[in-house]
Amino acid sequence: DAEITQSPRHKITETGRQVTLACHQTWNHNNMFWYRQDLGHGLRLIHYSYGVQDTNKGEVSDGYSVSRSNTEDLPLTLESAASSQTSVYFCASSERTPNTGELFFGEGSRLTVL
Amino acid sequence: DQQVKQNSPSLSVQEGRISILNCDYTNSMFDYFLWYKKYPAEGPTFLISISSIKDKNEDGRFTVFLNKSAKHLSLHIVPSQPGDSAVYFCAASAYSSASKIIFGSGTRLSIRP
Repeated sequence: DAEITQSPRHKITETGRQVTLACHQTWNHNNMFWYRQDLGHGLRLIHYSYGVQDTNKGEVSDGYSVSRSNTEDLPLTLESAASSQTSVYFCASSERTPNTGELFFGEGSRLTVL
Repeated sequence: DQQVKQNSPSLSVQEGRISILNCDYTNSMFDYFLWYKKYPAEGPTFLISISSIKDKNEDGRFTVFLNKSAKHLSLHIVPSQPGDSAVYFCAASAYSSASKIIFGSGTRLSIRP
């Protein structure tokens, strides 16, 4: 079965360290997204990509970067981790057609920055 | 500036009764609306959607209503079941922004026996 997987599922790091969260999907979807979930804010869009070599900033992109070198993967990098980036991160993907609506989410990566 | 707002952080409903979850939006460019359901330690899953050309969409026990003039949508669950206890996210997108979807802050629904 096609799926979307995130790793690591849990990560503890220190302020100032670089952290990369991996996201891999086997649906061959062109669209991929990174969201963070925080209490009171719901899911906020960090970065997204509509295809290989395409990346775009979302609502809360400061301090994060992504790269899309193939269809399957969209790694999220925190260049210099801050305590404010402690959160649960969700990767998602969808088909190319606009407004099909359905995002397929991974199980999430819980990041703690000390 | 939240473009999609869910003003009720939590809701408790008795099993068998109707659950009504509400959502408001501010961006008049939104033309597609969705509800997602999330259990603890899992990713959100798609539940139901509605296009702005409709005012109602039904799927089994779940119905979404859209009031464009009020910029308001609601999710009705009838009858409510214990497995419906979860966090529900309202979301919206605009054709002009392709597949970018904006989420609300979520409502935690608890179904009590």
